[in-house]
Amino acid sequence: DAGITQSPRHKVTETGTPVTLRCHQTENHRYMYWYRQDPGHGLRLIHYSYGVKDTDKGEVSDGYSVSRSKTEDFLLTLESATSSQTSVYFCAISVGGDGEAFFGQGTRLTVV
Amino acid sequence: KQEVTQIPAALSVPEGENLVLNCSFTDSAIYNLQWFRQDPGKGLTSLLLIQSSQREQTSGRLNASLDKSSGRSTLYIAASQPGDSATYLCAVRDNYGQNFVFGPGTRLSVLP
Repeated sequence: DAGITQSPRHKVTETGTPVTLRCHQTENHRYMYWYRQDPGHGLRLIHYSYGVKDTDKGEVSDGYSVSRSKTEDFLLTLESATSSQTSVYFCAISVGGDGEAFFGQGTRLTVV
Repeated sequence: KQEVTQIPAALSVPEGENLVLNCSFTDSAIYNLQWFRQDPGKGLTSLLLIQSSQREQTSGRLNASLDKSSGRSTLYIAASQPGDSATYLCAVRDNYGQNFVFGPGTRLSVLP
């Protein structure tokens, strides 16, 4: 599993509240990613990071922010959760020069 | 913008059959292509990674090919088993960035 841990695994939250999801890796891989997966839309990139404090937006970044203060942790924050952000969120890393991607087990987020 | 499609969307076969899953992409300037499987409610498991300079990769009963010039990849599964039932996703990583673009997946059912 390439040592990727996502927390929490499940969360229910109310509309308008902030939510932070955590991705932790046990190695010092440079690239980390946050995706969301929705029926009919597949996997879409939210934000990614190419090093400590180095992040960039993906395809569906509106309403999300990220932070990476340590190599091993990549945090995704929903600033004010909305029902449209109900989804399964996956963290991924890219390993080595080959760039093989490995994924975490996902966080199922429900916004009510 | 890179777009990835997969055909068929769903496939049902009897156990023991050999089968082929298809992946197409619109921009041939890719860094690599990766095949994943996803079981219901689970994360993505990496199956095979093909670099842009390679033509194919093999792992056990799986063989993936890449024809970059035509924008196609195939995943061949030999002697299918019920345990192969899952959704299969392909993803391409382009030369311009470090992001992965996913296809919508093929849902495979192997019947005993």
